[in-house]
Amino acid sequence: AQKITQTQPGMFVQEKEAVTLDCTYDTSDQSYGLFWYKQPSSGEMIFLIYQGSYDEQNATEGRYSLNFQKARKSANLVISASQLGDSAMYFCAMREGFGFGNEKLTFGTGTRLTIIP
Amino acid sequence: DAGVTQSPTHLIKTRGQQVTLRCSPKSGHDTVSWYQQALGQGPQFIFQYYEEEERQRGNFPDRFSGHQFPNYSSELNVNALLLGDSALYLCASSYGETQYFGPGTRLLVL
Repeated sequence: AQKITQTQPGMFVQEKEAVTLDCTYDTSDQSYGLFWYKQPSSGEMIFLIYQGSYDEQNATEGRYSLNFQKARKSANLVISASQLGDSAMYFCAMREGFGFGNEKLTFGTGTRLTIIP
Repeated sequence: DAGVTQSPTHLIKTRGQQVTLRCSPKSGHDTVSWYQQALGQGPQFIFQYYEEEERQRGNFPDRFSGHQFPNYSSELNVNALLLGDSALYLCASSYGETQYFGPGTRLLVL
């Protein structure tokens, strides 16, 4: 089974609208972390937001928020008021377990987001 | 504060050759991880170095090896290159939970 599933290969969104990128995960660990990264065409992976499995509040970072639904094993990224510069690939990733030697990130296949002026 | 840097940015090799990629971590970071990203896919974990030792390894053959130096910088070595090794190689550094990535090295094997 896929550890991280991103079901939207591509999305087109009008500028200034909000957008939700879907991510579901599969793990039997109680302790894990979920991440979202943005990858522009230049190739660099840019960290956006992090959610720990024990965090009770949904994470927020500026225009980014993570809609964490633990029972459904979903960790959707919400971008408010989208901008042209948000056009990029977006990857959801998971780290299973915590502590020494448990830092490997497993990535999904990504969603290509295009913002339309 | 400089972020993660990688060199070279691009590289072209032929099958059977060997390649060395380099990574300097973000200031204050002591852990370096390497990932391979094939075209159209998400990154795949190769291995991670901490205190100059390989701490965790993904599902990659022994042709992939690495090293971490006392200043925390790292090298990724790939021997006997195959066409399938063509990819973007990403280095990430961390001190704690979050990994921060460099711009990557694009390797083309002909």
